[in-house]
Amino acid sequence: QQQVKQSPQSLIVQKGGISIINCAYENTAFDYFPWYQQFPGKGPALLIAIRPDVSEKKEGRFTISFNKSAKQFSLHIMDSQPGDSATYFCAALNAGGTSYGKLTFGQGTILTVHP
Amino acid sequence: DAGITQSPRHKVTETGTPVTLRCHQTENHRYMYWYRQDPGHGLRLIHYSYGVKDTDKGEVSDGYSVSRSKTEDFLLTLESATSSQTSVYFCATRVGLAAAYEQYFGPGTRLTVT
Repeated sequence: QQQVKQSPQSLIVQKGGISIINCAYENTAFDYFPWYQQFPGKGPALLIAIRPDVSEKKEGRFTISFNKSAKQFSLHIMDSQPGDSATYFCAALNAGGTSYGKLTFGQGTILTVHP
Repeated sequence: DAGITQSPRHKVTETGTPVTLRCHQTENHRYMYWYRQDPGHGLRLIHYSYGVKDTDKGEVSDGYSVSRSKTEDFLLTLESATSSQTSVYFCATRVGLAAAYEQYFGPGTRLTVT
């Protein structure tokens, strides 16, 4: 019930291409969906997040698409650059009750963008 | 890294020994979390704290304990280290304001149990 399933595990994209990472969740109480980006040797950092009252959120080259009925959300990276090469984690949170901001993370996707 | 330091950054220890990892924050954030990161598993929550001396278990808490005696420090103790606890450990903090859900992560501690 608390799982968040992320795919693919790894992704190789050419410079300028579109990177797409998908996540699916089961718990319908989740109501906050962030994506974190992690570079080697560093801690994860928030990239972009969405609430379920909108179907899409865009920040620069990064877009989250959200499908509430399918319980799925995805990260699209347009015009992918070698500097985007990192591990990406989706996550979900039930903001209500006594969750204390506990995030449930997906398994991670290693993105490699070739020049 | 939002003023979060972790120590040590790297540690090698033997099976059966106790190990304590420290997380220190300078931002006065209310919530603190300990995660472990393993390939194929993402980040899994070990323990978290919602205030000084207020802590609770996460999804993978067996074999770990925590303490928070001051707002700025959150300690993770492996009571008797096992090889299955070889991992990268991350501390994270959150401000504590309503609707402010971003977590800020420290640089991590790589722990090897031989």
